[in-house]
Amino acid sequence: GENVGLHLPTLSVQEGDNSIINCAYSNSASDYFIWYKQESGKGPQFIIDIRSNMDKRQGQRVTVLLNKTVKHLSLQIAATQPGDSAVYFCADLSSGGYNKLIFGAGTRLAVHP
Amino acid sequence: NAGVTQTPKFQVLKTGQSMTLQCAQDMNHEYMSWYRQDPGMGLRLIHYSVGAGITDQGEVPNGYNVSRSTTEDFPLRLLSAAPSQTSVYFCASSSPAGGGTDTQYFGPGTRLTVL
Repeated sequence: GENVGLHLPTLSVQEGDNSIINCAYSNSASDYFIWYKQESGKGPQFIIDIRSNMDKRQGQRVTVLLNKTVKHLSLQIAATQPGDSAVYFCADLSSGGYNKLIFGAGTRLAVHP
Repeated sequence: NAGVTQTPKFQVLKTGQSMTLQCAQDMNHEYMSWYRQDPGMGLRLIHYSVGAGITDQGEVPNGYNVSRSTTEDFPLRLLSAAPSQTSVYFCASSSPAGGGTDTQYFGPGTRLTVL
């Protein structure tokens, strides 16, 4: 079955450093991925997405890389700030006429001053 | 726009009680979904709907019922609550966008405890 998982449960970084959060998936037919940020007590918030016809997409301070060969994607956060502290999820949005998100377990990012 | 709203924010039930978690969205989104999130885990899909009058099961549907009589509302019903249903419940909505993103917008969640 589908499995979207994360390599590290917790990532600690210093303020100002770059953060890299990794995610692996098992379904080679997956063609659309989303990164979400979830702050304590809140619902997930969309960060950035990428389709399988791309291998890189950039947003404001964030970049997502997709390696379809090894079924791996990563979220890079530049100049990490205390406000970036949260749990980050990668999710696989299956296609087929309906929206069904398959979430990984999440990585907690802790930013230290 | 208020986005996706959920009520209540917190709820405590006794085993065997029933209740309905409310979800509403004012973005005219076709798709709505319910997820549960257990401690230290990602979200798991319970039920979803692709439009008014159409619902289907997700990954963990047992013990839950849904209906979609209007585009705006998608209530989740627990017919006989069990301690295993203690969780945080998130409602989400989205609209398929040709050439754009299908991203889902999440509500703030309902924290449910079943004793």
